[in-house]
Amino acid sequence: DAKTTQPPSMDCAEGRAANLPCNHSTISGNEYVYWYRQIHSQGPQYIIHGLKNNETNEMASLIITEDRKSSTLILPHATLRDTAVYYCIVRPRASNYQLIWGAGTKLIIKP
Amino acid sequence: EAGVTQSPTHLIKTRGQQATLRCSPISGHTSVYWYQQALGLGLQFLLWYDEGEERNRGNFPPRFSGRQFPNYSSELNVNALELEDSALYLCATREAGDSGNTIYFGEGSWLTVV
Repeated sequence: DAKTTQPPSMDCAEGRAANLPCNHSTISGNEYVYWYRQIHSQGPQYIIHGLKNNETNEMASLIITEDRKSSTLILPHATLRDTAVYYCIVRPRASNYQLIWGAGTKLIIKP
Repeated sequence: EAGVTQSPTHLIKTRGQQATLRCSPISGHTSVYWYQQALGLGLQFLLWYDEGEERNRGNFPPRFSGRQFPNYSSELNVNALELEDSALYLCATREAGDSGNTIYFGEGSWLTVV
């Protein structure tokens, strides 16, 4: 399975857009990019996923580069409650979902 | 709709004892995944159950075991507890078939071994 690389930590001002990068340079054509977040050791919360096209839902937007080697999760208007560890994961299409979790990015939203 | 539920929320055991953790999936979900997350670390895959059978397991010793019941709920058993088993144990579930693209997590069970 492809590995991902994320910065260990980031800060963002409340009300601004938070842009979280993820590198997945070894991604294969049939692998999805998933994003989860974990707030203070609660269960991880699903945010969004995509294959090739950019995706948007009520929580966030996912921008995937044309070569699919990197992606960015965008929280359009960050609030203090968005402070969490954000995980970027690559999952094969026909996977048994044994997701390989890295260390994630600790996002701190500052007032 | 109820999410993935796990019990107990917290459990304290002594070394050498056994712990049993439980997971109830979202209605319609048939696959159950168990993960271990030691404090400050990432999630480590433990076990995967689907349609009542163990489909795969992670790099954990045999004293970590479990089962899935006909209603798709699941138990994780940890025998001969060791201090390093202290962790957050997370259960995740997904729908059957190709439509089940996303797994959803419960809030976890904190196991403390003293």
